[in-house]
Amino acid sequence: AQSVTQPDIHITVSEGASLELRCNYSYGATPYLFWYVQSPGQGLQLLLKYFSGDTLVQGIKGFEAEFKRSQSSFNLRKPSVHWSDAAEYFCAVVPNSGNTPLVFGKGTRLSVIA
Amino acid sequence: GAVVSQHPSRVICKSGTSVKIECRSLDFQATTMFWYRQFPKQSLMLMATSNEGSKATYEQGVEKDKFLINHASLTLSTLTVTSAHPEDSSFYICSARDLRSYYGYTFGSGTRLTVV
Repeated sequence: AQSVTQPDIHITVSEGASLELRCNYSYGATPYLFWYVQSPGQGLQLLLKYFSGDTLVQGIKGFEAEFKRSQSSFNLRKPSVHWSDAAEYFCAVVPNSGNTPLVFGKGTRLSVIA
Repeated sequence: GAVVSQHPSRVICKSGTSVKIECRSLDFQATTMFWYRQFPKQSLMLMATSNEGSKATYEQGVEKDKFLINHASLTLSTLTVTSAHPEDSSFYICSARDLRSYYGYTFGSGTRLTVV
């Protein structure tokens, strides 16, 4: 069965520092990959998604993610973190066929300090 | 863009009563909607897949008689928590696919259910 692993439960970075959140997936073929952000008590907002093509994907709020097939990874990055980026981040996958739901990783909580 | 409206955002109910949560796709038709449950500081767990005009498909371990799902139209799916108990208190989120946006999934803003 497909699965998503986010190895970091909680990350703390200083405002202005760079950020990388890790995501690994386990699936026979290349699934469709997503990153979502969730503020406390809120729904999920899509940051970016990868289906095919260029392996470096640009998203909203200055985020980007790079798909690396050899490592089964889809890490999220941001060059300079803002205090407003503090939130929960979820990596998700869906098979590249069928009307199926997203499968989520356990999430990474990002704290930003001054 | 695709918008999913979820109501209510918060609800407090007494133990033993039922609560209905609505999920509407505002500007697109959603033949399929997904219902998730999220415990504090945890990830989203899929409860069921709701298909317009047919019975929902429930994940293993989800009580069908407790969590009633109805998807009577292409823009509305409802989740009814029947005979609610304190252990049903949770954050419930719906999601719908907008087929106009290739593999686009949009989420509602969630419903915080507290059973007292």
